[in-house]
Amino acid sequence: GAVVSQHPSRVICKSGTSVKIECRSLDFQATTMFWYRQFPKQSLMLMATSNEGSKATYEQGVEKDKFLINHASLTLSTLTVTSAHPEDSSFYICSAGTGRGQPQHFGDGTRLSIL
Amino acid sequence: QKEVEQNSGPLSVPEGAIASLNCTYSDRGSQSFFWYRQYSGKSPELIMSIYSNGDKEDGRFTAQLNKASQYVSLLIRDSQPSDSATYLCAVNLPSGNTGKLIFGQGTTLQVKP
Repeated sequence: GAVVSQHPSRVICKSGTSVKIECRSLDFQATTMFWYRQFPKQSLMLMATSNEGSKATYEQGVEKDKFLINHASLTLSTLTVTSAHPEDSSFYICSAGTGRGQPQHFGDGTRLSIL
Repeated sequence: QKEVEQNSGPLSVPEGAIASLNCTYSDRGSQSFFWYRQYSGKSPELIMSIYSNGDKEDGRFTAQLNKASQYVSLLIRDSQPSDSATYLCAVNLPSGNTGKLIFGQGTTLQVKP
């Protein structure tokens, strides 16, 4: 149980392109979904927290107009990196949780490379 | 002071030995504690949850929690080369209902054959 599917697993695209990443909880309804970014050899960095039907809460320093999050249902959240540039190249990982005190379950991550 | 602290390592142990990974946290209100394993280039995978003081065993893994001292540890018995990974300690944020977790920076474990 507690399977989270994330697609695509890898994206390579040109600078200026917008990229959409999907995160789905397959066998449970996620109260909250989280989006992380991780650079090589570095810690997980939380970007934003999203709840179904409401605006995402972004962490300090994360541009909400750059990283658009839509949480349309209890099983689907999307992250769109708008007008991506090489510095946005990173490993993006989503997770889903069922509320306070419960673990988060992670998707397999999306490796984004902007040329 | 960081909210969740781990020694980054690397922690190197021989195959078959016990690996001991430690984590301290700053918020006494935290009630839920998790250990995740992250292989290089992969996403984190939940391996243990612990909510009460004491030990919790699952196969070769034992999580230990001491809320008075604000530390949580993970023991891996009979360590295997396949256990070589980064282990992340995560603690719940007491306020709010989102299930937000605070992660430590992770301890890299190397199990040598």
